[in-house]
Amino acid sequence: EPEVTQTPSHQVTQMGQEVILRCVPISNHLYFYWYRQILGQKVEFLVSFYNNEISEKSEIFDDQFSVERPDGSNFTLKIRSTKLEDSAMYFCASSEFPRVGTEAFFGQGTRLTVV
Amino acid sequence: AQRVTQPEKLLSVFKGAPVELKCNYSYSGSPELFWYVQYSRQRLQLLLRHISRESIKGFTADLNKGETSFHLKKPFAQEEDSAMYYCALTPVNFNKFYFGSGTKLNVKP
Repeated sequence: EPEVTQTPSHQVTQMGQEVILRCVPISNHLYFYWYRQILGQKVEFLVSFYNNEISEKSEIFDDQFSVERPDGSNFTLKIRSTKLEDSAMYFCASSEFPRVGTEAFFGQGTRLTVV
Repeated sequence: AQRVTQPEKLLSVFKGAPVELKCNYSYSGSPELFWYVQYSRQRLQLLLRHISRESIKGFTADLNKGETSFHLKKPFAQEEDSAMYYCALTPVNFNKFYFGSGTKLNVKP
């Protein structure tokens, strides 16, 4: 069964450094998402991406964040200058063309630790 | 605005007991509702969706538009049901999922 894959599974970075989280969505999917989950808190929407542009973003997704689909398979989340509060589990997800009942398939997550 | 509310952070039941995980939503229009489950050390995965009216692993959920609820139920809980359960909503344009804060279900032997 096709899966969304994320690399790395765990990333430790120093405050102020740039990080790139990578995702390979399911190949025939058209909508891509990033979510994060701070330890002990709920899964929060960051951004959705469709047709090579951001479809919607949350207030969390400020100028420090960017997303890119550099080729036909990868979908990346870049945090330009990490802060301690960026420490969280980051989930990538993808879905087929949105229609009634479309589900999102999630990756296993990347645990980002900012020290 | 809080769109999906799961009032219980933790729900503990004994094996064989009925279980109900509550979910209330606020959204004008006709959203689609889902339940996602996250077993220990695994990814979020879809459990069931409103539109399919299906029963998965003995779980069912009924959309009550009058009460704006989508509670998840199972008549006889099993130990393997222990997991985090998230209620989720997509708006009519389907471009994102709003998740509730999750309920940890602990089924004791």
